[in-house]
Amino acid sequence: GQNIDQPTEMTATEGAIVQINCTYQTSGFNGLFWYQQHAGEAPTFLSYNVLDGLEEKGRFSSFLSRSKGYSYLLLKELQMKDSASYLCAVRHTGRRALTFGSGTRLQVQP
Amino acid sequence: GAVVSQHPSWVICKSGTSVKIECRSLDFQATTMFWYRQFPKQSLMLMATSNEGSKATYEQGVEKDKFLINHASLTLSTLTVTSAHPEDSSFYICSAITGYHNEQFFGPGTRLTVL
Repeated sequence: GQNIDQPTEMTATEGAIVQINCTYQTSGFNGLFWYQQHAGEAPTFLSYNVLDGLEEKGRFSSFLSRSKGYSYLLLKELQMKDSASYLCAVRHTGRRALTFGSGTRLQVQP
Repeated sequence: GAVVSQHPSWVICKSGTSVKIECRSLDFQATTMFWYRQFPKQSLMLMATSNEGSKATYEQGVEKDKFLINHASLTLSTLTVTSAHPEDSSFYICSAITGYHNEQFFGPGTRLTVL
């Protein structure tokens, strides 16, 4: 089965850096995804990791360690519009569907 | 990027009626579509996987006779909530993938309220 854990809520200051952690347990790992979701809207894709290491895309970076079952999403130069829920999702070997964590609600303050 | 639409964006219905939600991939052919449900302040829960031309695969605990899924073409999947009850009120989101992309492309969601 799959078990995905991430913090429920985080608060950060505009212009700062925040790291959102995600740990997972799965019998067959085939990729980890990060999505951003604003209230009442559908998730939007942020990043995808399947190999160990850091993937950078503008202000957003995502890191994966498969041996530790660990990933983080790093947001730099925080903006007020970054206030949203961030969902960690794992794809299991042999399945194309994703299993989502409960999400981390990030509040960016002035 | 790939665009997925859903219709309607919101619907209010009386208890006992049926509601159909459409999910369309607008600029690509979706070999597989997924239906998720999201309750307030909770994450997305997969309900079923829909493959074009075959029966949907339902997750454990999801009643296939209550949540009817039809994937008639490579660009359209429909979810029908039959005999809806207030506990079915939720945010229903579909997503689609192709053979060329790793990420799922999500529709904008449909908010269902059953009175």
